[in-house]
Amino acid sequence: SAVISQKPSRDICQRGTSLTIQCQVDSQVTMMFWYRQQPGQSLTLIATANQGSEATYESGFVIDKFPISRPNLTFSTLTVSNMSPEDSSIYLCSVEGPQREKLFFGSGTQLSVL
Amino acid sequence: QKEVEQDPGPLSVPEGAIVSLNCTYSNSAFQYFMWYRQYSRKGPELLMYTYSSGNKEDGRFTAQVDKSSKYISLFIRDSQPSDSATYLCAMIPNTGGFKTIFGAGTRLFVKA
Repeated sequence: SAVISQKPSRDICQRGTSLTIQCQVDSQVTMMFWYRQQPGQSLTLIATANQGSEATYESGFVIDKFPISRPNLTFSTLTVSNMSPEDSSIYLCSVEGPQREKLFFGSGTQLSVL
Repeated sequence: QKEVEQDPGPLSVPEGAIVSLNCTYSNSAFQYFMWYRQYSRKGPELLMYTYSSGNKEDGRFTAQVDKSSKYISLFIRDSQPSDSATYLCAMIPNTGGFKTIFGAGTRLFVKA
């Protein structure tokens, strides 16, 4: 199994500012995934981050709002830009296990935007 | 219509009860079926995994998949307060990319 460290664990931010979330994995992985978990809603995939290439964004998510970096095979960041209260959510980093159908998650970042 | 439907609960049961958690789905292409458990302020962790139809048992947990009815279940026997968590069903289709689709999760409270 993979051990994923994610930080910050929680933050309270002002409208219009940006927050960068960091995700560190204890082993090299090809793909890293960023999810959003809103209250009462399903876990929603924001984007897939591959090392050495642009992230692939899901429908409804754009790079200007959620820029992602993937500088090496163990690290990724997600930035939530120009935040509004609607961005208040839990953001989760995830990687696949040796079997692709099994996902491992970080502890999440609880973001509140005032 | 959502691809995966899951009753959000909350579901409250006494310690020792048998718990039944369920999801329905609409996409007949789903082939991999998972249950994740998520404690408060933690990320989801994989609890059970089943490929295609059938049952799978692991200790107090049993996962069932009925593809003909597009219905999956997770049973917890002899439930414990430590089982109090949110349970998310998840599925992956065999077409259109290997992408996991999650249910909204059911909050379970087991009272001592």
